[in-house]
Amino acid sequence: DAKTTQPPSMDCAEGRAANLPCNHSTISGNEYVYWYRQIHSQGPQYIIHGLKNNETNEMASLIITEDRKSSTLILPHATLRDTAVYYCIVRSRGGTSYGKLTFGQGTILTVHP
Amino acid sequence: DGGITQSPKYLFRKEGQNVTLSCEQNLNHDAMYWYRQDPGQGLRLIYYSQIVNDFQKGDIAEGYSVSREKKESFPLTVTSAQKNPTAFYLCASSPPGEAYEQYFGPGTRLTVT
Repeated sequence: DAKTTQPPSMDCAEGRAANLPCNHSTISGNEYVYWYRQIHSQGPQYIIHGLKNNETNEMASLIITEDRKSSTLILPHATLRDTAVYYCIVRSRGGTSYGKLTFGQGTILTVHP
Repeated sequence: DGGITQSPKYLFRKEGQNVTLSCEQNLNHDAMYWYRQDPGQGLRLIYYSQIVNDFQKGDIAEGYSVSREKKESFPLTVTSAQKNPTAFYLCASSPPGEAYEQYFGPGTRLTVT
């Protein structure tokens, strides 16, 4: 699985867009980019995933560069409840994969009033 | 609302006692997972089940047991053989073909003294 690199922390003002970057320069063609977050003392929450096209759902947008070596998770209007640790992981689907999730250090996003 | 429920949220036990943590989902997912998270640490996979009546050990299965008699339920028993059972236990499930799109329950915080 490709290694990912994320900044350790970021700040964002409430109501503004939060743009969280992730580098995955060794990603292979069949690997997807997944984003999760974990709010303190809660279980992780799946946010979004994508292969090469940009993706959007009710929570966020995922922008993947054309060479797929990096991606950005966008929370369009951050709220205080979006304060959490955000994790970017890269995994290939299918085959004998059984879905073991392992998170790196992630990015601590702090949303300020 | 579809989701995963875990009960209880907090559980206290004396050393030497077995304890069973409940996990129920109504998402109609085939695959279910149990993770353990220690303070400031990442997730570690205990057991997973890809289908009813089948389950496999994860990375830290020693001292734990599971059953999968129904699609909706995947209880975890922490036995007295588990050396350090005090931890935050998380149950998750994933839809078919999406092993890394996992939906987590709120977790059970187990304290053994």
